[in-house]
Amino acid sequence: DGGITQSPKYLFRKEGQNVTLSCEQNLNHDAMYWYRQDPGQGLRLIYYSQIVNDFQKGDIAEGYSVSREKKESFPLTVTSAQKNPTAFYLCASMGAGGWDEQFFGPGTRLTVL
Amino acid sequence: AQSVSQHNHHVILSEAASLELGCNYSYGGTVNLFWYVQYPGQHLQLLLKYFSGDPLVKGIKGFEAEFIKSKFSFNLRKPSVQWSDTAEYFCAVIKDTDKLIFGTGTRLQVFP
Repeated sequence: DGGITQSPKYLFRKEGQNVTLSCEQNLNHDAMYWYRQDPGQGLRLIYYSQIVNDFQKGDIAEGYSVSREKKESFPLTVTSAQKNPTAFYLCASMGAGGWDEQFFGPGTRLTVL
Repeated sequence: AQSVSQHNHHVILSEAASLELGCNYSYGGTVNLFWYVQYPGQHLQLLLKYFSGDPLVKGIKGFEAEFIKSKFSFNLRKPSVQWSDTAEYFCAVIKDTDKLIFGTGTRLQVFP
């Protein structure tokens, strides 16, 4: 089955710890995205990558970091500098050509205690 | 600031009622428009999209949306909702880049 996988589904961390969220896709898509979803705020873009070894900040990149060493993988690290990290994180990808539908993973719910 | 607005934050309907969810955007020029749906416990998935051509777009599960360029709107409609339509609905726009800009979402609850 082609699609996007995110792991884990639920993640708990202590305040001050960095945590890395996994995102893998087997759709052969060039572009990948990370969003944060909070109640009443919709989806906000954290980082995106249009090609391997390149990525750009989205609207709320502070306190987050990413890497794109492989086409299939786009992990997101939530650092201790992120002031309010508890949220639902969604990964997405889009095929070549852009301006089209994005496909989403099931999400990771991060809770910082 | 340029944005996507969904003015209905929470809509409650009985089955068989008609639905219209508003979406307005503030970008000029050419845009691509989308409606996504997030059913409880499921992935965010595409409901329908508009790129060009007929401004009335039909999507999955009986949903449709109308693009009205003069009003910068892309409202979602369904003539008769079902309990299974209970979900959160997001309008989104792409302009100039590959970045999707999302509205804040509308939570729809349908009661039998």
